[in-house]
Amino acid sequence: QVQLVQSGAEVKKPGSSVKVSCKSSGDTVNTYIIAWVRQVPGQGLEWMGEIIPMFGTANYGQKFQGRVTLTADKSTRTVYMGLSSLASEDTAVYYCARHYYDNSGYNWFDPWGQGTLVTVSS
Amino acid sequence: SYELTQPPSVSASPGQTARITCSGDALPNQYGHWYQQKPGQAPVLVIYKDSERPSGIPERFSGSSSGTILTLTISGVQAEDEADYYCQSADSDSTNWVFGGGTKLTVL
Repeated sequence: QVQLVQSGAEVKKPGSSVKVSCKSSGDTVNTYIIAWVRQVPGQGLEWMGEIIPMFGTANYGQKFQGRVTLTADKSTRTVYMGLSSLASEDTAVYYCARHYYDNSGYNWFDPWGQGTLVTVSS
Repeated sequence: SYELTQPPSVSASPGQTARITCSGDALPNQYGHWYQQKPGQAPVLVIYKDSERPSGIPERFSGSSSGTILTLTISGVQAEDEADYYCQSADSDSTNWVFGGGTKLTVL
């Protein structure tokens, strides 16, 4: 069974960058798609983008295009989410999740990492 | 951009049935899924493909879809079911993955 473990909380200054990791175990995760979902405190869930670790190919939500970079290290089964030009509005919990596809191509997010709080403050 | 609309809150007494709806124009052609999120925890999948229940999810959780409305039903609500519930689906082109705004279920 796939398990996703994320790196710890971060505090960053406005204008800086952050890199959050998501390490997987329990299955051949490199064949899956790993997505990143953001949750601003008190608000809902927002898909940011996702990556296929096996090929290193990523696609991004329009809102985050140009500021988010997803990378993967197949040898350690770790996916990284980098977010640049941080502003206070980026203060949020960032989750990784497996974007699971069944044999018919239908898909959903399961399981999820525990989340990483990124606080942007001067 | 595509949106899924949920009521902000729903309440039910223990043992009653709670229903949470989610509306979206593409739902007639796209499967919908439901996630439960308790305070300080990550979301957990409770229903996928409109009405399928993952292993480990209690039978009191069920889902259905009709036209542009997706519904999560919790039969015999328990105190432990108090949480935020999010629906999720894709737009008509399956290029954007969208979540509803979330519904807070309060168990009275």
